[in-house]
Amino acid sequence: AQSVTQLDSHVSVSEGTPVLLRCNYSSSYSPSLFWYVQHPNKGLQLLLKYTSAATLVKGINGFEAEFKKSETSFHLTKPSAHMSDAAEYFCVVTSQGSGYALNFGKGTSLLVTP
Amino acid sequence: NAGVTQTPKFQVLKTGQSMTLQCAQDMNHEYMSWYRQDPGMGLRLIHYSVGAGITDQGEVPNGYNVSRSTTEDFPLRLLSAAPSQTSVYFCASRGTGGLNSPLHFGNGTRLTVT
Repeated sequence: AQSVTQLDSHVSVSEGTPVLLRCNYSSSYSPSLFWYVQHPNKGLQLLLKYTSAATLVKGINGFEAEFKKSETSFHLTKPSAHMSDAAEYFCVVTSQGSGYALNFGKGTSLLVTP
Repeated sequence: NAGVTQTPKFQVLKTGQSMTLQCAQDMNHEYMSWYRQDPGMGLRLIHYSVGAGITDQGEVPNGYNVSRSTTEDFPLRLLSAAPSQTSVYFCASRGTGGLNSPLHFGNGTRLTVT
């Protein structure tokens, strides 16, 4: 079994300040983890992925995430928020033994204020 | 390169009507899937296919049918629409590389059932 929990449904930051979006996972197998971003009225776009290589993963648009097995976490960070980062963010887990199943978190809505 | 194309973008149905949501991809991906997105629920898998002629149920398959006669197309059928099927529907495909390959999403179909 596997699941993912996004700890905040809404996060609000000021432009230029750091972003932290939190994700915890559970999996019976070694997981692969993804962060996707969804802008209004658009499909989801891959930000970054962890697939058992380096635990610190860099993605597009300055985002990065760190896989911490001991904490079962995969938090998404960015040093300085930009107005264009305002969107919905989804953490996703999959693993061997789940077949082709991907489990999505319920999403975190990021608001960036001027 | 169009990627994943969904039609229509918007649809209003009356209870009991039927319709087909179209999905086509031009990336020669074997894996295709349908998700529905509801507020506060994240994305939930409806049906998926690992290749032409092969389909399987996801987390919420009731009320939906699929078929996969070609690699490119994966239509989703609602045989008798219900208000509970009001949602945004996303089609996604994935290439070779299995679980570690990212999903490519269409821009969604917003369905309202009255």
